[in-house]
Amino acid sequence: QKEVEQNSGPLSVPEGAIASLNCTYSDRGSQSFFWYRQYSGKSPELIMFIYSNGDKEDGRFTAQLNKASQYVSLLIRDSQPSDSATYLCAVTGGSYKLIFGSGTRLLVRP
Amino acid sequence: NAGVTQTPKFQVLKTGQSMTLQCAQDMNHNSMYWYRQDPGMGLRLIYYSASEGTTDKGEVPNGYNVSRLNKREFSLRLESAAPSQTSVYFCASSEGQGASYEQYFGPGTRLTVT
Repeated sequence: QKEVEQNSGPLSVPEGAIASLNCTYSDRGSQSFFWYRQYSGKSPELIMFIYSNGDKEDGRFTAQLNKASQYVSLLIRDSQPSDSATYLCAVTGGSYKLIFGSGTRLLVRP
Repeated sequence: NAGVTQTPKFQVLKTGQSMTLQCAQDMNHNSMYWYRQDPGMGLRLIYYSASEGTTDKGEVPNGYNVSRLNKREFSLRLESAAPSQTSVYFCASSEGQGASYEQYFGPGTRLTVT
């Protein structure tokens, strides 16, 4: 069974801090990795994707991938209360399919 | 450009009733997907369609059928609803070719089966 694991949280950080969200995956053949943000009662929204080892930055968000250790992380700098949401990690599990983790709930305290 | 649209937004069914959830995308994507999301379970793939004319089972297909009507539309049918099918259903689409697996989601259908 191919799995994607995330800590369910909640991860609570003060406004302005760095939030670090982590995800591990079991399938060494996975090649594409995605972070989705989901506000309560809404649909998932793609915020980052990464294909290669290393870091990828987009504004306040940085995705980090380490294929040898099979983990992918998302850093959110200068966290804002509007970043409070559930963050879903997704990993390719075969052609056309994504396997999602159950998500980490992030709370940013004003 | 509406992206991915789903109807209805909310539905209440009695056990044994049938219904079809509709999904359409206007991004000219090849691949479409149906997921269900339950508390603490994340998103689980029910069925997917890699391209027009093809459909395949995902992780939790029992109790569901799908139709890829054309490139734009992908419907999900519950033939005889059960309380275990109470969930939020999301449709998604992606280009589906090569490494372009980014999936874009519709707003969801909240289904309650009593």
